[in-house]
Amino acid sequence: QVQLVQSGAEVKKPGASVKVSCKASGFTFTSYAMHWVRQAPGQRLEWMGWINAGNDNTKYSQKFQGRVTITRDTSASTAYMQLSSLRSEDTAVYYCARDSARVAVAGTVYTFDIWGQGTMVTVSS
Amino acid sequence: DIQMTQSPSSLSASVGDRVTITCRASQGISNSLAWYQQKPGKAPKLLLYAASRLESGVPPRFSGSGSGTVHTLTISSLQPEDFATYYCQQYYSSPPTFGQGTKLEIK
Repeated sequence: QVQLVQSGAEVKKPGASVKVSCKASGFTFTSYAMHWVRQAPGQRLEWMGWINAGNDNTKYSQKFQGRVTITRDTSASTAYMQLSSLRSEDTAVYYCARDSARVAVAGTVYTFDIWGQGTMVTVSS
Repeated sequence: DIQMTQSPSSLSASVGDRVTITCRASQGISNSLAWYQQKPGKAPKLLLYAASRLESGVPPRFSGSGSGTVHTLTISSLQPEDFATYYCQQYYSSPPTFGQGTKLEIK
């Protein structure tokens, strides 16, 4: 079935980096853009950026520009999100999500129809 | 960035009730509005997009309307599985932004 499976929870110290993976199955990975969205405890969802899994193009939220890097491995149908210079405010659940449209057909529409289960990242000294 | 504000922030209702949640954008977003449902400890689930289009597999008791700056989500007859938090999201301009959520609780 169509699904995204993310890597497990992480605990990091301030200043460190974290890399979260998102493995796709049940659909053609390279036909879609993959987004990353985070949710701090009790807070609203926050979009971080996306990668076109077909051509490797990326776009990041200005808020995270310079700290976030989204990559993909087409042979493994996996997207990755790395966040550096971590601070306590980065404690959140990080989700990958598939864009609703095939990128070659409609571009990136920025609605999210398939989500990973989420990865809790805790930043604490 | 476009700011999204939902009202109410929480709502108590009973099974069978009709409920409406409102989402206001800080500027016009045409019909570029999606609604998600999130249950505790789970990822969000897409319910509607383009303000009123139902995602495949979503029951027709969910409906959406609106254009411009004011949008609504209506659940015509609440079922036990509908008690959750609902988020609106605009995708009119980047970055896409979400409302703060409306928690729907059992009365």
